[in-house]
Amino acid sequence: AQKVTQAQTEISVVEKEDVTLDCVYETRDTTYYLFWYKQPPSGELVFLIRRNSFDEQNEISGRYSWNFQKSTSSFNFTITASQVVDSAVYFCAHTGANSKLTFGKGITLSVRP
Amino acid sequence: DAGVIQSPRHEVTEMGQEVTLRCKPISGHDYLFWYRQTMMRGLELLIYFNNNVPIDDSGMPEDRFSAKMPNASFSTLKIQPSEPRDSAVYFCASSLHHGVAEQYFGPGTRLTVT
Repeated sequence: AQKVTQAQTEISVVEKEDVTLDCVYETRDTTYYLFWYKQPPSGELVFLIRRNSFDEQNEISGRYSWNFQKSTSSFNFTITASQVVDSAVYFCAHTGANSKLTFGKGITLSVRP
Repeated sequence: DAGVIQSPRHEVTEMGQEVTLRCKPISGHDYLFWYRQTMMRGLELLIYFNNNVPIDDSGMPEDRFSAKMPNASFSTLKIQPSEPRDSAVYFCASSLHHGVAEQYFGPGTRLTVT
């Protein structure tokens, strides 16, 4: 069965600090996709990134970077030089052969000025 | 693009009443999903459609819930009769290719059943 674990529930940092959000997944699929979504206080879910199981290259987009490691079944998300606007709940998610998106419980990130 | 549109944004109803939530997916997207978000259970997939056909409704809690997609630009999620435990935020999402493409979410409908 698919499972996504986000062990951190709440993280609080001061602005300009770097912060890493952890995600560990379980799957029996050989082909699968991993995602990160952001849910700001306004409530909508915003897509951030998709990664397929055959591409372990790290990705950087501005202050955001993602580290995918199949050996440890992890897909971690780092925000560099965090800003108050980064305050949100961040969800990691997985989909595989059954084509159902399974979400983790989410990590609440608070960035203090 | 307007994005995924949901209505109403907020709904307050009394137990036993019928509730209908509406969704308009992004034009050209052929997959549509309904999710429910609660503090206790997080984000759960209820049902999804491909080309207007329901593919998997195993997440629908019980017979009180039903969903339809009469055409490519409209879907409804109905709860009849509603119960207080149905209180949640209901999201609709759409994507181009299920399982391989990202899903784009609507703003959600916050349902409160008293």
